[in-house]
Amino acid sequence: ETVLTQSPATLSLSPGERATLSCRASQSVNTDLAWYQQKPGQAPRLLIHDASDRATGIPARFRGSGSGTDFTLSISSLEPEDSAVYYCQQRSTGPNFGQGTRLEI
Amino acid sequence: EVQLVESGGGLVQPGGSLRLSCAASGFNFSPYTMRWVRQAPGKGLECLSSITTNGEITNFASSVKDRFIISRDNSRSTVFLQMGSLRAEDMAVYYCVRERGAYYMDVWGKGTTVTVSS
Repeated sequence: ETVLTQSPATLSLSPGERATLSCRASQSVNTDLAWYQQKPGQAPRLLIHDASDRATGIPARFRGSGSGTDFTLSISSLEPEDSAVYYCQQRSTGPNFGQGTRLEI
Repeated sequence: EVQLVESGGGLVQPGGSLRLSCAASGFNFSPYTMRWVRQAPGKGLECLSSITTNGEITNFASSVKDRFIISRDNSRSTVFLQMGSLRAEDMAVYYCVRERGAYYMDVWGKGTTVTVSS
């Protein structure tokens, strides 16, 4: 089964800065990778699918990239409301979410 | 508005059973594979189960296989999760999710909380 490892575990940045979140797969997932944002007390929200396609309504500040085993979620011009836990997810019948990166603004 | 609304959560004793429901609205339900995802307190997301459009194919995480059953009623735009032999480690928020592109999840319900305690 494919395991996703996210780094860093926690990221603390200031408003206006750029965040770079990493997700590494234990074997190639091609571009079958999604990113989600979860704020406290809320359900996750789809940000990115197929590694780089933004979901409906997601601002261009959120950018996904990568293929194979290494993926990145970049968030530019950080705003306080971007504070959340971010998860990556791949297509698999096994445990298919990463453990999450907590972003603090 | 596209919406998923879960219900059926609550307090159950260890070894007990519970049936969760998820009512879909605002979209044509039957063409979509549906999933249940859970999140234990303070923990990450765990994909539990999925069911294809006509219910022919179901999948389960090893942690719930042989204890949970997923089903759907397309005439009522509803998906169910029958949970049995519940354990303390099943305590979580359970989310109903719509699947797209054969793997990602584009619509989430608000979740229903399951507490397992004596």
